[in-house]
Amino acid sequence: DAKTTQPPSMDCAEGRAANLPCNHSTISGNEYVYWYRQIHSQGPQYIIHGLKNNETNEMASLIITEDRKSSTLILPHATLRDTAVYYCIPGGGSSASKIIFGSGTRLSIRP
Amino acid sequence: NAGVTQTPKFQVLKTGQSMTLQCAQDMNHEYMSWYRQDPGMGLRLIHYSVGAGITDQGEVPNGYNVSRSTTEDFPLRLLSAAPSQTSVYFCASSLLGGTQYFGPGTRLTVL
Repeated sequence: DAKTTQPPSMDCAEGRAANLPCNHSTISGNEYVYWYRQIHSQGPQYIIHGLKNNETNEMASLIITEDRKSSTLILPHATLRDTAVYYCIPGGGSSASKIIFGSGTRLSIRP
Repeated sequence: NAGVTQTPKFQVLKTGQSMTLQCAQDMNHEYMSWYRQDPGMGLRLIHYSVGAGITDQGEVPNGYNVSRSTTEDFPLRLLSAAPSQTSVYFCASSLLGGTQYFGPGTRLTVL
């Protein structure tokens, strides 16, 4: 299973861009990078995923380095509602392997 | 679609009692899994399944049993509850290699 490294905590001012890094140097060639977040005690919620190219959706942007060993999740205009724990998880594609969550990054948005 | 449903939402058990946590999904997902989350901690994988009749252990399987007789249901059985099993339990489902969808969680207290 690919291992990930994320900073345990970060903070960001409301209205600014939040950039959350993830190191996944052991990711396999066919594994995607998935990002989820968990707000308070709710179940984790999908944000975005990518394989090689950068991706953008209505929630966030995902920047993946060319060697695929790391990625950055960008929340372009952070709001207080973005306060959550963010998880970076390699996996997916055609894989039927188990999905392991790491410790994630606790993002705090300050007013 | 109801998505992923879990019952009960809350449960209190005495040490030594057994019970079953229910999880169901109506999205025809092959992959289903159970996680536990202790206070202030990340999610840890208990058991997972890649299809009906197929189950496998995750990171913390001891004290729990699962079965997958249908695609829709993936119950988690606590054989003899212990205080160390006090936690929030999340069920998730996905297509193989796809985005995970999580249920709302079951909050279990073992006295």
